[in-house]
Amino acid sequence: AQTVTQSQPEMSVQEAETVTLSCTYDTSESDYYLFWYKQPPSRQMILVIRQEAYKQQNATENRFSVNFQKAAKSFSLKISDSQLGDAAMYFCAYRSPMYSGGGADGLTFGKGTHLIIQP
Amino acid sequence: ETGVTQTPRHLVMGMTNKKSLKCEQHLGHNAMYWYKQSAKKPLELMFVYNFKEQTENNSVPSRFSPECPNSSHLFLHLHTLQPEDSALYLCASSQEEGAYEQYFGPGTRLTVT
Repeated sequence: AQTVTQSQPEMSVQEAETVTLSCTYDTSESDYYLFWYKQPPSRQMILVIRQEAYKQQNATENRFSVNFQKAAKSFSLKISDSQLGDAAMYFCAYRSPMYSGGGADGLTFGKGTHLIIQP
Repeated sequence: ETGVTQTPRHLVMGMTNKKSLKCEQHLGHNAMYWYKQSAKKPLELMFVYNFKEQTENNSVPSRFSPECPNSSHLFLHLHTLQPEDSALYLCASSQEEGAYEQYFGPGTRLTVT
């Protein structure tokens, strides 16, 4: 079974600064998908960024980028120019490829990192 | 309504009550999921439905009973719950093929007294 570990329960960053959230995972599969989800207080969980394991290039979405190290099984999220609206719980998640289980598999989540933005 | 909706948003029930949580997705997706989010724990996948068929039951106690009458609706029937079942219950949906992103509802905050 896959596991996802987020070792930072809470992180704090000054507005406009850069912060990196850590995530490691354990799997025996060679093909998989990794995600970062954001859950603002009392609001819906939304996808921030996605990385396919077969792609060597790190995914980027505006101020959000990942550092994907497949051999190390590491998938960190970097948030540049932090904004007050970035304050939320951030969850790293893993998903097997579609062909491995036969259908729509669920996500395996880490415990989350609470990101605080200091004005 | 757009996206994934869940009702009710908050629910307080006694251990002997029977209640149901409802999820509806307006995205044309074919797969739907129930997750449990407890404090200090990772989100736990409970059930997966793909084209109305249950494809995964993640060792969930029988006091939780899912129902998926069609690809747009998902229910979670609750009976004889325990206080440790108090949590945020999240519904999500995704395309069965192609996109792998899951779209989440706002959740139902359940308190069992």
